[in-house]
Amino acid sequence: QSVLTQPPSVSAAPGQKVTISCSGSSSNIGNNYVSWYQQLPGTAPKLLIYANTKRASGIPDRFSGSRSGTSATLGITGLQTGDEADYYCETWDRGLSAVVFGGGTKVTVL
Amino acid sequence: EVQLVESGGGLVQPGGSLRLSCAGSGFTFRSYDMHWVRQATGKGLEWVSGIGTAGDADYPGSVKGRFTISRDNAKNSLYLQMNSLRAGDTAVYYCVRALFDYGGNYYFDSWGQGTLVTVSS
Repeated sequence: QSVLTQPPSVSAAPGQKVTISCSGSSSNIGNNYVSWYQQLPGTAPKLLIYANTKRASGIPDRFSGSRSGTSATLGITGLQTGDEADYYCETWDRGLSAVVFGGGTKVTVL
Repeated sequence: EVQLVESGGGLVQPGGSLRLSCAGSGFTFRSYDMHWVRQATGKGLEWVSGIGTAGDADYPGSVKGRFTISRDNAKNSLYLQMNSLRAGDTAVYYCVRALFDYGGNYYFDSWGQGTLVTVSS
């Protein structure tokens, strides 16, 4: 069971928007920055977002991040078939003294 | 271009040991914290260990006392010595470069392609 809770899957049609939530607690998201990673099928994860809202180098502005309280959200607009992947949130947990990841969310483009 | 290339994975019996290696290139290896992150087949990501530029190491409770991370800056290499391996340690192990966010916590900007470790009799 992951410390950070993500929905198992989300889906939308091409061109539409999806949001992925990442729910935590004051031990993690509530007091630490959140990062997001994209993992395309059969490949290693890739950094998308760091420090809650900052896009990594080369990441298009279709991807955005936000944080409110003990939850964070990844948004993807103008959905493309190439966005089909697993997405993970990540942060530091002060209680566990460990890096923690969400369980991952599979994005499907209908 | 940053490159991280893992090696050393394979099949090992429960209770056995294995040493993973990661060769870094395209960046000043000694200047970065480095980590290992693993992923069991069909499962999510799990942080395994991290090492600072000064050699200070960090582990989650699940591997503390069994795994040891180390680095050789002269060889631009990162290592993970894994002892007392269990079936639950079966996973792809990724070598990862870490940066610090504004709060001083890690995020991972470069990942290797991973090496598969299978613990089975």
